[in-house]
Amino acid sequence: SQQGEEDPQALSIQEGENATMNCSYKTSINNLQWYRQNSGRGLVHLILIRSNEREKHSGRLRVTLDTSKKSSSLLITASRAADTASYFCATAAGIYNQGGKLIFGQGTELSVKP
Amino acid sequence: ETGVTQTPRHLVMGMTNKKSLKCEQHLGHNAMYWYKQSAKKPLELMFVYNFKEQTENNSVPSRFSPECPNSSHLFLHLHTLQPEDSALYLCASSQVGAKNIQYFGAGTRLSVL
Repeated sequence: SQQGEEDPQALSIQEGENATMNCSYKTSINNLQWYRQNSGRGLVHLILIRSNEREKHSGRLRVTLDTSKKSSSLLITASRAADTASYFCATAAGIYNQGGKLIFGQGTELSVKP
Repeated sequence: ETGVTQTPRHLVMGMTNKKSLKCEQHLGHNAMYWYKQSAKKPLELMFVYNFKEQTENNSVPSRFSPECPNSSHLFLHLHTLQPEDSALYLCASSQVGAKNIQYFGAGTRLSVL
């Protein structure tokens, strides 16, 4: 079964607005990561939050994690047209990360209009 | 550049052809992965190699055959594919440990005619 489910599936905003994407997962995790993918390209790691952390910041990115609800959110502040991409959450499960395996969500397609 | 190089970037093949996808990582990682990404579907993990040993095969059809000759190189051999195998094939590598951040190549866009 799909570990990560994200909503919304698609999000369209104006430049300068904030974008919030949510991710839910099913099993216990070691950490949760967010990746970005430009159209037809590979994924790029953005930020990682450990299971014992509740919030993390990196530049214009803010990630929260609620392990009791098995959910995370990614906030991009003051969005730019260049932020247009698909965003995926990925969970690393178990103490030993099951040999490096990550389970990816279905992704949110973000469109930022200039 | 992410340090993971995939070739070719685009590939068109007939259903009776045999071709191979190549992935090379320059990051000194000990794990490599193949993923399939189809339109409107989530990323599907196909194979995992840790220290050159295959540790995961997610019920992938035998027409896909992985090979990992060393910790820097990963191949995906393709034969008698079906049109539904058309997709973006992504390779990734990581240093297995507490974080396991994966670094992806740009992918091979495969079209099966």
